[in-house]
Amino acid sequence: AQTVTQSQPEMSVQEAETVTLSCTYDTSESDYYLFWYKQPPSRQMILVIRQEAYKQQNATENRFSVNFQKAAKSFSLKISDSQLGDAAMYFCAYRSYNTDKLIFGTGTRLQVFP
Amino acid sequence: DVKVTQSSRYLVKRTGEKVFLECVQDMDHENMFWYRQDPGLGLRLIYFSYDVKMKEKGDIPEGYSVSREKKERFSLILESASTNQTSMYLCASRDSGLAKNIQYFGAGTRLSVL
Repeated sequence: AQTVTQSQPEMSVQEAETVTLSCTYDTSESDYYLFWYKQPPSRQMILVIRQEAYKQQNATENRFSVNFQKAAKSFSLKISDSQLGDAAMYFCAYRSYNTDKLIFGTGTRLQVFP
Repeated sequence: DVKVTQSSRYLVKRTGEKVFLECVQDMDHENMFWYRQDPGLGLRLIYFSYDVKMKEKGDIPEGYSVSREKKERFSLILESASTNQTSMYLCASRDSGLAKNIQYFGAGTRLSVL
């Protein structure tokens, strides 16, 4: 069975600085999707970024980028120029190519200090 | 924008009560999901549905049932609520076609069972 591990329960960063959130996963599959979701205090889970495993190029969305290392089964999220509004719980998630189930990590709470 | 609406933000129920958590989406999505979110455990899938009147068990279906009589509405039912079902419940929906792989979430219902 696939598993997703987020080893950092909490992280903090100063405004305008860069922070990296870690995620590793375990799978025997070759085709899959990976996601980072953000859950702010309002609780609405929002997709931040996604990566298809067959793509070697790392996904980027404005200030958010990933470092996808398929062989190492690692999928870290880098937030550049951190803003106060980035403070939230961040979840890494995995989905097999041919199923509908998302498997989530336990989350990393990010604090942003002025 | 996709909107997934959960009818209650907070709910307090007594042990043994029958509890209905309602979720409605406005984008004609075929697939809908119910998750449970607990600190340190991330999100775990309870049930999901591919279509009206269809349901599939997720990872933790025990003590729960679901109903999908209309495409836009997916209800989670606790037949006899217990204190260990105190949790945050999140609903999500997704369009069919595995290439469309983004799940959209509601704001969650925080249920307390006393």
